[in-house]
Amino acid sequence: EVKLVESGGGLVQSGGSLRLSCAASGFTFSSYSMNWVRQAPGRGLEWLTYISDSSTTIYYADSVKGRITISRDNAKNSLYLQMNSLRDEDTAVYYCARTDYTDDDAFDIWGQGTMVSVSS
Amino acid sequence: QSVLAQPPSVSAAPGQKVTISCSGSRSNIGDNYVSWYQQLPGTAPKLLIYENNKRPSGIPDRFSGSKSGTSATLGITGLQTGDEADYYCGTWDNSLSVHWVFGGGTKLTVL
Repeated sequence: EVKLVESGGGLVQSGGSLRLSCAASGFTFSSYSMNWVRQAPGRGLEWLTYISDSSTTIYYADSVKGRITISRDNAKNSLYLQMNSLRDEDTAVYYCARTDYTDDDAFDIWGQGTMVSVSS
Repeated sequence: QSVLAQPPSVSAAPGQKVTISCSGSRSNIGDNYVSWYQQLPGTAPKLLIYENNKRPSGIPDRFSGSKSGTSATLGITGLQTGDEADYYCGTWDNSLSVHWVFGGGTKLTVL
């Protein structure tokens, strides 16, 4: 079964840091680009960052650039999101998602999400 | 304000058809493939349509997608109560820096 499982969420104080992980299984992780997407309570989806299969290409949303770092370890079938200087508005469910098709043009597999709560 | 504009809500009766629009610009929809996602309450999003009009395996043909210029449309026929969900369009945007954009989402109510 193709699966993504996020972990590492929790309650963190404003200004703090957190590292999220995403464990992939059921497919050749090293062949796919990956992303992080978040959803604040009651709000829509917000794309955060993309990393290519070999980590050579990385994109960030302007809203979080400089505060987050995406990385991956293909030997461990794992994706990571390092988040620093956390703010109240970073409170959200964080999803990892696989990109596929012609130009990495759709997110075809999603994890169940991990909740991050930032308290001031 | 989302870069891709979707109506906040749509509604229709069971068995009927509904369409959800997604309006963008040349730098996003105009130059890239559009995908659509369904998010049932309390669950992760699920891919419904990719590359404007293609359905992944397992997605019924009641769901369809189209694109014209800088707009895209999701169509759902034979509405079922289980279709009640939030629907999002998404695509790459090539303006200034490369980034992905989602629409603001549309809440579908099956009356």
